[in-house]
Formats: sequence, C-alpha cells, structure tokens
Amino acid sequence: EDKVVQSPLSLVVHEGDTVTLNCSYEVTNFRSLLWYKQEKKAPTFLFMLTSSGIEKKSGRLSSILDKKELSSILNITATQTGDSAIYLCAVEALTQGGSEKLVFGKGTKLTVNP
Amino acid sequence: KAGVTQTPRYLIKTRGQQVTLSCSPISGHRSVSWYQQTPGQGLQFLFEYFSETQRNKGNFPGRFSGRQFSNSRSEMNVSTLELGDSALYLCASSSGFTGVETQYFGPGTRLLVL
Repeated sequence: EDKVVQSPLSLVVHEGDTVTLNCSYEVTNFRSLLWYKQEKKAPTFLFMLTSSGIEKKSGRLSSILDKKELSSILNITATQTGDSAIYLCAVEALTQGGSEKLVFGKGTKLTVNP
Repeated sequence: KAGVTQTPRYLIKTRGQQVTLSCSPISGHRSVSWYQQTPGQGLQFLFEYFSETQRNKGNFPGRFSGRQFSNSRSEMNVSTLELGDSALYLCASSSGFTGVETQYFGPGTRLLVL
C-alpha cells in the first residue's frame, strides 16, 4: 500500500529559527513529490519535485528530493509567525488505470512563536 | 477567476443520517477530486471525477459516493453517517489535463457527526 510519512508531527520554534521538515515515501509508480502549506482550510501549493538532487527555492523556503533515499526535506530559514501552518507532503503516483493520484502524509504542524 | 467553492462550509448531523456536500470547480476545470482530512489519518483521497466519470477511487467504503454534473460541479454523498466520518472534506479542481501541481483546493466543508 502506498505510504507517505512526515516527521516531526509537530514542531514549535522561535522566530528567526531555521526548521527542516521531513517526508519519506513508499509508493509504486512514483511520479513527483509535492509540498503544500495549510493555514486554515485550503492547502496551497508550494513545490513540486520530480528530479533527485535539484533544489527548488522560493524565498526562505527550499526543498530537495532524494529518490535514492525515497525522501524529501522542506527547509524554512529565518522563520516568521506567518509560517505557522500545517505543512503537507504528497506523492503523486500512477494508478493501474493510468491516472494520477496523490497520497498525502499526515502533515507537520509548525508553530512559530514571536 | 473565482476559486473553488464548497457548500455548506459547516454541517452538523447525527449518526445514521446522510449528507450531501457540493463542490464547484474553477471555471474551465473538468476534474474534481475529493479528500477527507482528520487529525488521525491526515488527508486521504476519496475519489476523482473527470467529465462526469469517476476516474479514480480511494479506499473508502461504499457509503461514500459521488457524482459530477455536465457543468463540472460535483457532489459527494455519505450515507449512514458514523461518528468517525467527522472530518474536513476538501475538494480540489484541475483542468484534468495538466499535472497535479495545478490542482487548487477549496476551503472545505467541516462535518461534525454527533
């Protein structure tokens, strides 16, 4: 069964700290790995990673995929209170029918205190 | 362009009842996916509809069903509600032709089963 595991499940830091969120996966027919930020209700897309070793960066956020280790990390530097959210990792896999499906991890709840 | 809308936003039901949730995708999008999010299980895929046909299905019991109309709006129905069905139900829309990174989530419907 396809599985995505995120760690830690929750994290509390102070503003200015750097955090690293982890995601590991076991899926058949891997296509890509995605990171989302969920603040209140709707998750919003952050990154999509398909190639191993290539870092995607957006401001203070960056992410990298390691296909050999079946894992990815999401780094946030100089954290701000606005970074407080649940960060979701999802893996896109091909189904037997040829369509794509997303398998989500349970998320990491990040709290940034002032 | 209007985003994905879901109605109702909040719902309280009792065990044994049934419920219908609605999702209106972004104009022009033909694919609608439904997810259930609970603290214990995280975000889990329910099913995906594309052009009025169910294209993909997750591992949920038959009490969970859905349909899509010719205008791409989708409904999800849960019959014989159980306490464990209390969750945030998210739908996401995409064109159906591009990758999952172009999937946009709605604000969700919070269902509480008493």
